[in-house]
Formats: sequence, C-alpha cells, structure tokens
Amino acid sequence: QSALTQPRSVSGSPGQSVTISCTGVGSNIGAYTFVSWYQQIPGKAPKLIIYGVNNRPSGVPDRFSASKSGATASLTISGLQAEDEGDFYCCSYAGDYTWVFGTGTKITVL
Amino acid sequence: EVQLVESGGGLIQPGGSLRLSCAASGFAFNSRAMSWVRQAPGKGLEWVSFVSMSGSNSYYADSVKGRFTISRDNSKNTLYLQMNSLRVEDTAVYYCATVPYSQAFDTWGQGTMVTVSS
Repeated sequence: QSALTQPRSVSGSPGQSVTISCTGVGSNIGAYTFVSWYQQIPGKAPKLIIYGVNNRPSGVPDRFSASKSGATASLTISGLQAEDEGDFYCCSYAGDYTWVFGTGTKITVL
Repeated sequence: EVQLVESGGGLIQPGGSLRLSCAASGFAFNSRAMSWVRQAPGKGLEWVSFVSMSGSNSYYADSVKGRFTISRDNSKNTLYLQMNSLRVEDTAVYYCATVPYSQAFDTWGQGTMVTVSS
C-alpha cells in the first residue's frame, strides 16, 4: 500500500494550536478505527502518542488530541511548546495484519 | 520497566544475510504480538513484519516478502528477524515494537542500524 499523505512541515508559535492531516484511502483509514500517531525526536525511537483514533497512552499530555473523518485523520497539538518539536507520523491498520505509515510531518516551534 | 533491546545490525554486502534480535523484559512477552518497523536514513517509518503472540502466524510487507522471516522464542523472551538476499534499499534502522490489541506500536526499542553496501 502507498504511504499515507501528511504535510511535509507545520510550524507555530508557542501557545498556538497546530493540526496535522493524514490522508489515506478506504482500505486503511477509511476502513478501521486503528489509527495511531507517533512523535519522533531526531536520533530517537518513535513514541506512541495516540492510539485507536483518539486515545492517549498514560503520560501523554492532553494537549495532544486526534480525530478521524472518512479516510482522513488529524492530530491537533494545543498550546504548542518548544518540547513538541520533532517529526510526527500517523499510522493505520490496513487489514490482514499489515500497517501503513504516513510520510511524516516536521513540527517547528517558532 | 518495559524494555526492548535490538542487536545484530551491521555492515553487510548486497545479497548477504543478517539476523536481528530483540530482547524483551519487564512484561509478559508471550502475551504480546510483535512487529519490526524500519526507517531508512532521512526517510519515514515503514512497517516490515508482524508475528502473533504464539509465533504461529507471521505477516510481511511486500517489499520484504520471501526474503525476511520473523520469529520469536517465548522461552527466551526474544524476537528475531532473519534477513536474506539483502539489497541496498534495505539499509535502515530496524526497530522492534510491541503490538497490543489496539493495533498500535506502543513500546519501541532503540533500534539497530543495518547498512547494505559493497
């Protein structure tokens, strides 16, 4: 399957809200509620921040929220902080125990 | 503390073979499905393979099907990835990750670098 489509970069000032879109097709995001999001600091392993479309693992700030509509998922970071800088990836289950990741979005805090 | 530690990466010539390992600790390994995810230098994440809790079922991305084999030894709390017929495009950091029923990758190792080059 082709990678899910994300904007290459998004930026915002501290305290602002930013939203990252993640566009798939009917056989992945459009078909399942198994959409997850990951934050990756350069040189580090990815970290799960959202699972099951809009659930946060323990310890993830509630500034991170997500949603899904049709074949598009979105991640919103409210009250942007300098520590939020990094790369963000969406991921969708695609059936038959296969997954597809997004192309990745670099978040810059101005 | 839940921990995954990958090992086995290195420099290998095209056509060669390599076996990666992922040692798990801090949780009931035999109650978690597992996956391998890779990231080429400067590129995004790519799902590679999945194995069920018992190890009886495995699945692969088309890009590695027929060349890579995922397996696990629940008695040793270790996940493996046997990589054969390696290609230059397999060059990447390889991560192992746990896969709970949410079908997300919730715990990741630190990764091991595989470089395929002549």
